[in-house]
Amino acid sequence: DVKVTQSSRYLVKRTGEKVFLECVQDMDHENMFWYRQDPGLGLRLIYFSYDVKMKEKGDIPEGYSVSREKKERFSLILESASTNQTSMYLCASSLYVGTTGELFFGEGSRLTVL
Amino acid sequence: QKEVEQNSGPLSVPEGAIASLNCTYSDRGSQSFFWYRQYSGKSPELIMFIYSNGDKEDGRFTAQLNKASQYVSLLIRDSQPSDSATYLCAAHTGTASKLTFGTGTRLQVTL
Repeated sequence: DVKVTQSSRYLVKRTGEKVFLECVQDMDHENMFWYRQDPGLGLRLIYFSYDVKMKEKGDIPEGYSVSREKKERFSLILESASTNQTSMYLCASSLYVGTTGELFFGEGSRLTVL
Repeated sequence: QKEVEQNSGPLSVPEGAIASLNCTYSDRGSQSFFWYRQYSGKSPELIMFIYSNGDKEDGRFTAQLNKASQYVSLLIRDSQPSDSATYLCAAHTGTASKLTFGTGTRLQVTL
């Protein structure tokens, strides 16, 4: 089974703090993604990466950055957390997202920014 | 206009009935479509995908695609209480390897 592991299930941070969310997958997938999920807004793509050291902006990249130094690890960074970044963050990986690909999601990291 | 739209529900159906979940998309270039199920407090998991017009069946689930109408649906036959979840429709658009999700429809299967 594919396993996508997110380092923290629940985090509480203060406004202005730097936040790291880590994600590791064990299936040698090429693509990795960070989404946030908010009630009424659904899943929105923040960043994705299709190769080591490669990254592409998603639909809502403002206030976030990412790092992919190794194929299995994809980190999401909030340089200066703000209250509007309180959300559920979901990491996902896929071999190939296309006609027959699928996303495998981690369990999510619920971030609260006070 | 959102790229992928779904009615938020809740859609309530009795046990044993057919649940019909609908999704429309705005980008005519969308090529393939995915249905994910998300139980409360859990992550989404893929149920089905479809990329050709018509029906695709997998057990109790049937995905339907009509590209002319830009419409995708998921039918769940013999609905069970364990089917109660939020169902997310997603479209693969453009050349980038990413999916665009709808906001999901909450399904409640009642005893």
